[in-house]
Amino acid sequence: DAGITQSPRYKITETGRQVTLMCHQTWSHSYMFWYRQDLGHGLRLIYYSAAADITDKGEVPDGYVVSRSKTENFPLTLESATRSQTSVYFCASSDRADTQYFGPGTRLTVL
Amino acid sequence: QKEVEQNSGPLSVPEGAIASLNCTYSDRGSQSFFWYRQYSGKSPELIMFIYSNGDKEDGRFTAQLNKASQYVSLLIRDSQPSDSATYLCAVNKAGGSYIPTFGRGTSLIVHP
Repeated sequence: DAGITQSPRYKITETGRQVTLMCHQTWSHSYMFWYRQDLGHGLRLIYYSAAADITDKGEVPDGYVVSRSKTENFPLTLESATRSQTSVYFCASSDRADTQYFGPGTRLTVL
Repeated sequence: QKEVEQNSGPLSVPEGAIASLNCTYSDRGSQSFFWYRQYSGKSPELIMFIYSNGDKEDGRFTAQLNKASQYVSLLIRDSQPSDSATYLCAVNKAGGSYIPTFGRGTSLIVHP
């Protein structure tokens, strides 16, 4: 299917566990992004990538790790999940026209 | 001060009225401006973008940009209950950056 997908859509985990959220896009967009969205904070950028093997920190990178070995995939790993990382996570991609296309989101709960 | 400011609302308008959503930004060199709509429980989707001063119309939507005053607005004419959503303003900084800064969004409620 064309577009941008995220998996899993829902995840419940425990404090201290490692969690990986997956993002896949079929457009070959150069840029990919990870955001978290929390009430009162709006969308906050965690990490972004301008191309394969190029990643950079956003506004709230602490506790997260990303990689981008292939253009189409941009996984986000929480190395040791904390309750404060309970959130809705959105992946997005864009070409050089600036417009961002968002995935459906992953709702993560850390107990 | 957040770089992109929006009134969180909710903004409540009757069906058929004009809804006016506003956004101010702090980086005077910003070049690209976007409005995204986000329904409850869904992901944001782009509805308008504007690069130049003035108005840009697309159907019932009009984006207005005033770089001198550093604000961008979105007008929704003939508002419908289906327009009820959160509207996010996003701004790309100067220098060819493709990294937008989002406002916190304004909640719009259109009541019948």
